[in-house]
Amino acid sequence: ETGVTQTPRHLVMGMTNKKSLKCEQHLGHNAMYWYKQSAKKPLELMFVYNFKEQTENNSVPSRFSPECPNSSHLFLHLHTLQPEDSALYLCASSQEGGLAADGQFFGPGTRLTVL
Amino acid sequence: TQLLEQSPQFLSIQEGENLTVYCNSSSVFSSLQWYRQEPGEGPVLLVTVVTGGEVKKLKRLTFQFGDARKDSSLHITAAQPGDTGLYLCAGVVVRGSNTGKLIFGQGTTLQVKP
Repeated sequence: ETGVTQTPRHLVMGMTNKKSLKCEQHLGHNAMYWYKQSAKKPLELMFVYNFKEQTENNSVPSRFSPECPNSSHLFLHLHTLQPEDSALYLCASSQEGGLAADGQFFGPGTRLTVL
Repeated sequence: TQLLEQSPQFLSIQEGENLTVYCNSSSVFSSLQWYRQEPGEGPVLLVTVVTGGEVKKLKRLTFQFGDARKDSSLHITAAQPGDTGLYLCAGVVVRGSNTGKLIFGQGTTLQVKP
């Protein structure tokens, strides 16, 4: 248990569906992240939020829409996804407000399959 | 493009054997982190090394940061089945457009057979 929870753990959706991934951290951290993990590829940073403000969008397609209502919660809204978007989506948090060297705490991930 | 290359990509050994995983780059990093990820879970931070030449030990795991801060290694002594997992290195970039960013290697999958 790392103090970062994600729901759902598994999600299967069609290309026309709209769904949302949820992340919650109980560590009192100020920064939260979304990563995409695909087989045989390095972790890909998608978004960074510091103190609820988005500070990084790593050229992510608009069919992925993040939302950070407060420092403890992070959402990823999904709409009209493609089969190649199937992957493990990981949420992480860290103490400092940025991509610093203080280490990141990851949630267990949501395994997403797009049909 | 700053890349972190890990080797080997896959390693299958018997319980009790020693192994070393390497993480190499042509870029300099202000610090380097190692994570372990088990199936169905997210990565868990094992250690952060920040000084060139630094060595840190975590029970049977020994981590070293290269003198030039471009590479790192993870050595496991007397591996156990519980060490099985995906080992990821990640470095904080010090130069260029990605300064301050954490970039990950592609990972080394370790399987320790009883």
